[in-house]
Parts: sequence; structure tokens; C-alpha cells
Amino acid sequence: AQSVTQLGSHVSVSEGALVLLRCNYSSSVPPYLFWYVQYPNQGLQLLLKYTSAATLVKGINGFEAEFKKSETSFHLTKPSAHMSDAAEYFCAVSKETSGSRLTFGEGTQLTVNP
Amino acid sequence: EAGVVQSPRYKIIEKKQPVAFWCNPISGHNTLYWYRQNLGQGPELLIRYENEEAVDDSQLPKDRFSAERLKGVDSTLKIQPAELGDSAVYLCASSLGVSVAYEQYFGPGTRLTVT
Repeated sequence: AQSVTQLGSHVSVSEGALVLLRCNYSSSVPPYLFWYVQYPNQGLQLLLKYTSAATLVKGINGFEAEFKKSETSFHLTKPSAHMSDAAEYFCAVSKETSGSRLTFGEGTQLTVNP
Repeated sequence: EAGVVQSPRYKIIEKKQPVAFWCNPISGHNTLYWYRQNLGQGPELLIRYENEEAVDDSQLPKDRFSAERLKGVDSTLKIQPAELGDSAVYLCASSLGVSVAYEQYFGPGTRLTVT
């Protein structure tokens, strides 16, 4: 079975500081990996995805993530946090053989302090 | 382009009552998903449709939950009877196809509170 673990249910950073949200995956086959963002009272929005092409994936709003097979990680980063980045972030995994069935982590709530 | 539409946005019911949620996917999207998101957790897939056919409903509690997608467009998710543990946000999503390569677009969800 595949799964993801997000380390840290709450992360707090200052505006302008580096954002680092951690995600480790478990998958018996090469995975597809995703980061989604959820703003209050809204649905999830795709930030970026890894589909076995380049290991460094760039997404929207200045976010990027690096797939590291040796560490089974797919951490999300942004060089400089903005107040508008405050939201909940979810890492998700899928595999080609299961089609679009996504397994989500429990989420990380990001707070950005002025 | 309009996104995924869900209604109602909020619903409060007493336990043992029935409830239904409606979803209108993005036009042209053949694949439709229903997820349940418990407080403080990530979404969990309940059922996935490819056109009118439910292709993945292994996580749907079939004793009380049912879903349909008539004509391969709109979908309805029903709970009867509702239990306290069903309180959650029910998210609908759609995508062009079932391949993992296709992005899933999520609606805003229906927040259900069972008292």
C-alpha cells in the first residue's frame, strides 16, 4: 500500500523567510507525487506534481519540490513566504496502476507571521 | 470557465436523518470523485466515476452511503441514515480522465454537521 507522512501538523514562519514543508512517501512502485493547497472554506488546488520527469518540480506561486528517491521524500519549499501563503498544505501520492486514486497526508497548516 | 460546483455549502442535520449532496463537475470532465475530509485530516476517496460507471467504490460505506451520476454529468451523494461520525466536509472533484496525469479540480465542499 502507498502512503504519505507529513512531518509537522503546524509550521510557522515569518514573512520573507524560507518555507519548508516535509513529506515522505511509501510506495512499492515509482510514485506520482502531488502538493495541494487548501485555503479556508475552499477546495484543494494543485500546486505541483512529480510524474517521473525532472526531480525538481516548479509549481505555482513560487513553490517548488524535489523528489529524492534515496530519502523517499518530496519536500515543498518556497524561498520567501508571503502572508497570502497561509493555508493548509497536503501531500498526496498515486501510482500509474491505480490511475487517479490519490492518497493524501494529514496536512500541514502554514502560518505566516508579519 | 466555471469550476466544480457543489451544494449545499453547509448542512446541519440530526442523526438518523437522510442528507444529499450535489455536484456539477467542470464541463467535459469525464471523471468525477467524491472525497470525505474529516477535521484535521486529508481527503479520503469515497467513490470515483468514469462517465456513468462507478469504477472505484471500495471505500464507500455501502450500508448507508449511495451515489449516482446520471447521464455522466452531475452527481449526487446520499447518506441515509446519518450518524454522528459522518460529520465532515464532502468534496467533489473532476478531471478530464482517469489517468493520474490529469489534474483533479476540487469544488469548495459541503460541510456536514450531524447533531
